Amino acid sequence: GAVVSQHPSRVICKSGTSVKIECRSLDFQATTMFWYRQFPKQSLMLMATSNEGSKATYEQGVEKDKFLINHASLTLSTLTVTSAHPEDSSFYICSARPQAAVEQYFGPGTRLTVT
Amino acid sequence: EDKVVQSPLSLVVHEGDTVTLNCSYEVTNFRSLLWYKQEKKAPTFLFMLTSSGIEKKSGRLSSILDKKELFSILNITATQTGDSAVYLCAVFSGGYNKLIFGAGTRLAVHP
Repeated sequence: GAVVSQHPSRVICKSGTSVKIECRSLDFQATTMFWYRQFPKQSLMLMATSNEGSKATYEQGVEKDKFLINHASLTLSTLTVTSAHPEDSSFYICSARPQAAVEQYFGPGTRLTVT
Repeated sequence: EDKVVQSPLSLVVHEGDTVTLNCSYEVTNFRSLLWYKQEKKAPTFLFMLTSSGIEKKSGRLSSILDKKELFSILNITATQTGDSAVYLCAVFSGGYNKLIFGAGTRLAVHP
């Protein structure tokens, strides 16, 4: 149980384009999902907290107009990287928290490369 | 500023060895500490520790939390090559939303 999927697993895009990443909780409902970013050999950094049906809460230093988050249902959150630049290249991981639970379960991640 | 510090950053051992991974933290309003194992992709949940002195155990892995000294250890006994991974320590601070991660300990277990 507690499986989280992400799509795509890997994406390459050109500078200036936008990329959408999906995060789904497959066997549970998640009122809250989280988006992290991980640079090579570094730890996960929380970007934003996504609550179903409301606006996301962004961490300090994360541009909300650049990283658009939508959490339209209890099993799906999306992260759109707008006007991507090479410095946005990173590993993006989402996690989801089951209702009435504390721990978070992570998706397999999406490796974004911006050329 | 909240921080989680793990040591060592990397470790190389041989199969059968026992290892101890360390995690210390300084956060406001501590709630719980979590350990994850990250192989190539997503971190997988290992333990969540909320109370001091109570050991959590799963097979060859065990962990304990010391809230007075602000640290936790993760022990792996009789290591196997499949234990090779990055082990991440994370702390909930100020609620159960924000997880603050340490940099991880990269463990390599050689045959």
